[in-house]
Amino acid sequence: AQSVTQLGSHVSVSEGALVLLRCNYSSSVPPYLFWYVQYPNQGLQLLLKYTTGATLVKGINGFEAEFKKSETSFHLTKPSAHMSDAAEYFCAVSDRGGNNRLAFGKGNQVVVIP
Amino acid sequence: GAGVSQSPRYKVAKRGQDVALRCDPISGHVSLFWYQQALGQGPEFLTYFQNEAQLDKSGLPSDRFFAERPEGSVSTLKIQRTQQEDSAVYLCASSLEGQGIQETQYFGPGTRLLVL
Repeated sequence: AQSVTQLGSHVSVSEGALVLLRCNYSSSVPPYLFWYVQYPNQGLQLLLKYTTGATLVKGINGFEAEFKKSETSFHLTKPSAHMSDAAEYFCAVSDRGGNNRLAFGKGNQVVVIP
Repeated sequence: GAGVSQSPRYKVAKRGQDVALRCDPISGHVSLFWYQQALGQGPEFLTYFQNEAQLDKSGLPSDRFFAERPEGSVSTLKIQRTQQEDSAVYLCASSLEGQGIQETQYFGPGTRLLVL
């Protein structure tokens, strides 16, 4: 079964600094990969996804992620953190050809320090 | 446009009570998913519908959990004889297409269930 690993539940970043959230996946078939963001009392919102094609994926709010098959990784980055980026971020994977159920990591709570 | 809505947003139940959680997906979305998110954890898959057919219920933790989508639109997740370990946020998501086509899942705000 597919799974993802996110290390470090809380991540602190200074405003204007690089945001880097790590995600490693395990899947028996080429995966679909996702990053979702969750703001307090709101539903999960899709930041970006990788399905096929270009391995560098750009999403909303200036975020991007790169699919690296050799490293089984899909790390999320943003060059310059903004206060509004404070939220919880989840990496997720689903199998190709399956029912599209998502398997989520435990999440990273991002705190932005002024 | 209207997104996925869930009701109630908060539910407090006494241990042993039955609860029903409602999900209204985006109109026209074929697929509907339920996930359970425990405190400090990522969401975990419970069950999946394609229209009115429940195609995967492998994530339901016990036979106390039951889900239905009788007309292929609104779905209800029912938990019988609630236990304290059922306390969690229950998330509903919908997507436009069915199996084999990876469509974005759109999530509702969730129902936060607290069992005392």
